[in-house]
Amino acid sequence: NAGVTQTPKFQVLKTGQSMTLQCAQDMNHNSMYWYRQDPGMGLRLIYYSASEGTTDKGEVPNGYNVSRLNKREFSLRLESAAPSQTSVYFCASSDWGASEAFFGQGTRLTVV
Amino acid sequence: AQSVSQHNHHVILSEAASLELGCNYSYGGTVNLFWYVQYPGQHLQLLLKYFSGDPLVKGIKGFEAEFIKSKFSFNLRKPSVQWSDTAEYFCALRESNTGKLIFGQGTTLQVKP
Repeated sequence: NAGVTQTPKFQVLKTGQSMTLQCAQDMNHNSMYWYRQDPGMGLRLIYYSASEGTTDKGEVPNGYNVSRLNKREFSLRLESAAPSQTSVYFCASSDWGASEAFFGQGTRLTVV
Repeated sequence: AQSVSQHNHHVILSEAASLELGCNYSYGGTVNLFWYVQYPGQHLQLLLKYFSGDPLVKGIKGFEAEFIKSKFSFNLRKPSVQWSDTAEYFCALRESNTGKLIFGQGTTLQVKP
């Protein structure tokens, strides 16, 4: 059982380049999330998808777009990367209510 | 706006000391509350959760938390910490109306052997 799989694990981008972070879950969860983790700031929600076909902005959506391709997959796109987007990105999935969220291993992104 | 606040940013304890990490939230609706732990170089894992019923919740590895509705708090406790508890701890809230999962800033716990 793979759980939540994120690719890539590491990435270095030049300012202005674009890229897509991929996330897939095999637990049949309805909800999926993208977070960024920065020192001293905890995990900040970028985008959230409550179910297939729906997405909603989180706390820090600027500079990002998402696609909930199907129930399993939720991708995060940086159209024009900026140094401020250097961070560790985590994808997670869960059901509603008291359901635990399961996290991927993270993507360490550096924008130079 | 809904928020989760963790007041202790960095805690240093000796082994066998007692631990209490503060968590306060701001949300008017029904809450589901969680504590997650992140060991160095790893992803987040669930320690415990509260959704209803007994406000004292027990989790893995001897951790427990108490939900105090009147104080909007969900503090994490452990009677006696071990060196292996060195990690970052996150409090989180799930909004009942949207399902969004919001995290606090995290507390780094360092346990000295």
